[in-house]
Amino acid sequence: AQSVTQPDIHITVSEGASLELRCNYSYGATPYLFWYVQSPGQGLQLLLKYFSGDTLVQGIKGFEAEFKRSQSSFNLRKPSVHCSDAAEYFCAVAMNTGFQKLVFGTGTRLLVSP
Amino acid sequence: SQTIHQWPATLVQPVGSPLSLECTVEGTSNPNLYWYRQAAGRGLQLLFYSVGIGQISSEVPQNLSASRPQDRQFILSSKKLLLSDSGFYLCASGEGEHEKLFFGSGTQLSVL
Repeated sequence: AQSVTQPDIHITVSEGASLELRCNYSYGATPYLFWYVQSPGQGLQLLLKYFSGDTLVQGIKGFEAEFKRSQSSFNLRKPSVHCSDAAEYFCAVAMNTGFQKLVFGTGTRLLVSP
Repeated sequence: SQTIHQWPATLVQPVGSPLSLECTVEGTSNPNLYWYRQAAGRGLQLLFYSVGIGQISSEVPQNLSASRPQDRQFILSSKKLLLSDSGFYLCASGEGEHEKLFFGSGTQLSVL
């Protein structure tokens, strides 16, 4: 069965510092990979996704993620964090089927200190 | 793009009471629809998905049921709520060949 691990429950970074959120997955085939952000009281918003091709994926709000097959990882990065980036971030994986049945990680809460 | 409407935003219900959460979708037709639950300290878990009117698939055995009476309406129900049904419920709609999921703003359900 698929599973997604986000080892960091909370991360605090200073405004302007770089950010990396970790995500590891377990899946036998090539998965579809996603990062979502959930701001307080909001639904989830898609930041970026990887289906195939270039393993470095650019997303919205200045985020990027790199798919590393050898490490079964899909870490999310941002070179300079803004206070508005404080939110909960979810990594998710889906099978290569016609529709998405996402398996989510437990999330990482990002706190940004001024 | 799509807009997902979910209501209510928050709900407090006693154990044993019924539940009905509604989700409606605008801006698309014949979407795939999903109900997810986020329990405290846990990730999102897929509860139900639907590929069309009247077609419901359940991912996990539970006290809940789902229905899709119209193309863009997805309802989550329970006849008798349990304490363990507490959580944050998200409706999602899928669009496109490699589906992009659009999520509603969620319903925070507290069963007391």
